Amino acid sequence: KQEVTQIPAALSVPEGENLVLNCSFTDSAIYNLQWFRQDPGKGLTSLLLIQSSQREQTSGRLNASLDKSSGRSTLYIAASQPGDSATYLCAVMYNQGGKLIFGQGTELSVKP
Amino acid sequence: ETGVTQSPTHLIKTRGQQVTLRCSSQSGHNTVSWYQQALGQGPQFIFQYYREEENGRGNFPPRFSGLQFPNYSSELNVNALELDDSALYLCASSLAQRNTGELFFGEGSRLTVL
Repeated sequence: KQEVTQIPAALSVPEGENLVLNCSFTDSAIYNLQWFRQDPGKGLTSLLLIQSSQREQTSGRLNASLDKSSGRSTLYIAASQPGDSATYLCAVMYNQGGKLIFGQGTELSVKP
Repeated sequence: ETGVTQSPTHLIKTRGQQVTLRCSSQSGHNTVSWYQQALGQGPQFIFQYYREEENGRGNFPPRFSGLQFPNYSSELNVNALELDDSALYLCASSLAQRNTGELFFGEGSRLTVL
């Protein structure tokens, strides 16, 4: 069964810390992996998309890595800010144009 | 590249009623998917439409149905509402010919079933 797991479920850090969110998937034959941000009661904002042939993607203070062989991805957030507080979701696509399989998310709280 | 709009943003229904949720895809996108997100959970795939035909379905009963129109807008219909149908319903659009597989999500419709 294709499953996506995110650890930890919740994380609280002081402002300025660098942090890592983890995502693991059971079937390594992915097409792509996408990280999203979700603010309370809101929709999903795409942060980074990593194709299966790529090892990492960067956008500003965010860096996502992909290790297909181990079934893992990490989202690294540098110099965290209170505005980064949100739920971060990892999702895997196995077929081009197919469905996304989501993890349950990591709820991040950055304290001033 | 956003531009996916959903309506209504919030609605309240009672058990047994029917509901229709609407989605307007990003301009030029020909594929639309619907997801259900229960509180504290990740979104779950309901179904996908491409060129007005259902093109994949998740583990949801037949009372969840959909439509895609020639302008690529879409509807999600849920009949015989149950309490467990209370959730955020998310619409996502994409362009099938673009091989990145990137999906763009709307803000969702929050359904409460009493």
